[in-house]
Amino acid sequence: SYEVTQPLSVSVALGQTARITCGGTNIANKNVHWYQQKPGQAPVVVIYKNTHRPSGIPERFSGFNSGNTATLTISRAQAGDEADYYCQVWDSSTAIFGGGTKLTVL
Amino acid sequence: QVQLVQSGAEVKKPGASVKVSCKASGYIFINNAVHWVRQAPGQGLEWMGWINAGNGNTKYSQKFQGRVSITRDTSATTAYMELSSLTSEDTALYYCAREWNYDWFDPWGQGTLVTVSS
Repeated sequence: SYEVTQPLSVSVALGQTARITCGGTNIANKNVHWYQQKPGQAPVVVIYKNTHRPSGIPERFSGFNSGNTATLTISRAQAGDEADYYCQVWDSSTAIFGGGTKLTVL
Repeated sequence: QVQLVQSGAEVKKPGASVKVSCKASGYIFINNAVHWVRQAPGQGLEWMGWINAGNGNTKYSQKFQGRVSITRDTSATTAYMELSSLTSEDTALYYCAREWNYDWFDPWGQGTLVTVSS
């Protein structure tokens, strides 16, 4: 079965750029969606279909998908961006989530 | 606005079953699938299965096949997830989520905590 891999944690200095990766075999052939989950809250989509940002999500959030890696980029990181981030793809009508990445803003 | 509201927390004994509801509002219920995702304490998201709210077709994760049943009541615009033969490893937050554009999940319900304890 298909698997996607995320780093357990990423740290970023306040105001700098954070990059969270999601690795999978030929993941560029799939649509990747990214969810943000803050403590005690349900997940919220921040990027869908690799690069699209839902209304209400800051422009600081962007996505890219190429080769075997999809990347969520958070520019000018803020304290409020601290959260767990999950990538998600589909494989044979089954939703696959990455293990999640904890973003810490220093 | 589009909203999914789930039923309240449950405490169950090992071997029992639990049924969690997910009431949808703000959109045409039968037009979108509803998925169930769980999250054990301190762990990541785990997809369980989904139901086509229009025709009632379902698909389940192999991990839960035979133990999970997802149903819906179109008149009540509500989806249900029932999990049987509970063990302590089923202690988790259970979320429902609407599938949007046949692709991503938006929005999610608030989550229902299911605790399995003797």
